[in-house]
Amino acid sequence: AQKVTQAQTEISVVEKEDVTLDCVYETRDTTYYLFWYKQPPSGELVFLIRRNSFDEQNEISGRYSWNFQKSTSSFNFTITASQVVDSAVYFCALSMIPGANNLFFGTGTRLTVIP
Amino acid sequence: EPEVTQTPSHQVTQMGQEVILRCVPISNHLYFYWYRQILGQKVEFLVSFYNNEISEKSEIFDDQFSVERPDGSNFTLKIRSTKLEDSAMYFCASSTGQRRGDTQYFGPGTRLTVL
Repeated sequence: AQKVTQAQTEISVVEKEDVTLDCVYETRDTTYYLFWYKQPPSGELVFLIRRNSFDEQNEISGRYSWNFQKSTSSFNFTITASQVVDSAVYFCALSMIPGANNLFFGTGTRLTVIP
Repeated sequence: EPEVTQTPSHQVTQMGQEVILRCVPISNHLYFYWYRQILGQKVEFLVSFYNNEISEKSEIFDDQFSVERPDGSNFTLKIRSTKLEDSAMYFCASSTGQRRGDTQYFGPGTRLTVL
């Protein structure tokens, strides 16, 4: 069975603070992909990152960074120097290989950045 | 930059009526998907479509639902007899389909309200 857990339902930070969003996943497959999507107040789903299970290197993109640890089945997302525009719901998602190409989403973390 | 588009942005219908939600996937993509998000909840997979047929479907995708690619650009989701519990945001997504785990790009969604 596959499952994605985002234990943090809501987080509030003051602008310029760093914040880490947690994602823990469960899968029996050895090959899988992990994703993060952002859902701003306007409602669309914006792709942020895709990582395969064989690549445990951390990734940095501007103020965003991702920490993938297979040993703890976690794929955490850190925003450095948060900004008001970062306020959104962030979803972690899992796709298994082989198997259906559908995404299993976590329940999301609502991030509010206070100016 | 190519993007997935969806129409209408908001659809209001009476219970028992048929609705058709429309999507135009990214032009060179081969896999198409529908997901739904009940207000405040996580995004759930409905169905994937490849080579003019359903590739995978979830338990949610029962006989009330159908999908179609009526022409070379549109991808539609039909709900035959809407129920109150069908009220949700419906997202269309597409991926290149060259391999499983490819990034799915989402449209802005159609908010369906069933009265």
